[in-house]
Amino acid sequence: DAGVTQSPTHLIKTRGQQVTLRCSPISGHKSVSWYQQVLGQGPQFIFQYYEKEERGRGNFPDRFSARQFPNYSSELNVNALLLGDSALYLCASSVGPITGELFFGEGSRLTVL
Amino acid sequence: SQQGEEDPQALSIQEGENATMNCSYKTSINNLQWYRQNSGRGLVHLILIRSNEREKHSGRLRVTLDTSKKSSSLLITASRAADTASYFCATDLNLIQGAQKLVFGQGTRLTINP
Repeated sequence: DAGVTQSPTHLIKTRGQQVTLRCSPISGHKSVSWYQQVLGQGPQFIFQYYEKEERGRGNFPDRFSARQFPNYSSELNVNALLLGDSALYLCASSVGPITGELFFGEGSRLTVL
Repeated sequence: SQQGEEDPQALSIQEGENATMNCSYKTSINNLQWYRQNSGRGLVHLILIRSNEREKHSGRLRVTLDTSKKSSSLLITASRAADTASYFCATDLNLIQGAQKLVFGQGTRLTINP
């Protein structure tokens, strides 16, 4: 069975641009969460979606937005990119919103120049 | 702000030795989880221990939880080169009704020397 897939794996943007990251959860998983991991740090929670509704939001500015589609895939959008947005963006899926174990994808490495 | 703090930040041992990593947290939790990450790739779930459990085993892994001290430890026995990775503890604070927000520590970088 396919795991969590994320695209693109790497991308380079310049300050002020916008980026869209995509995530496909494991088949049967209805919850998708997004985490940001800055180099040398642990992941930080950005969003959780379940059944297409936002269930939780971390301490990130409004430049960050996300959505979940009927097939449970998800997109993370970041507008007006800053240098500090350079990070590994991780998507994780789970069966339900509070089931415990998260299954992570390999991440999208974003570099902002 | 960081909820979980791992100790040590880095650990280097010989293959075959045991590795112990510790995690401390600040507020009450629903559960605590340990994840492994190889070289900036995705995280892999290792084990989940609930707040009413004290010890859990999975293969060569042993996790303990002391809620009175707000701390947990991860023991990897008979280490192998393939165990070289960063290890993170993550606490589920149940901060958001009906949602799961994991708060990760900064991780322990484990190196197994052949």
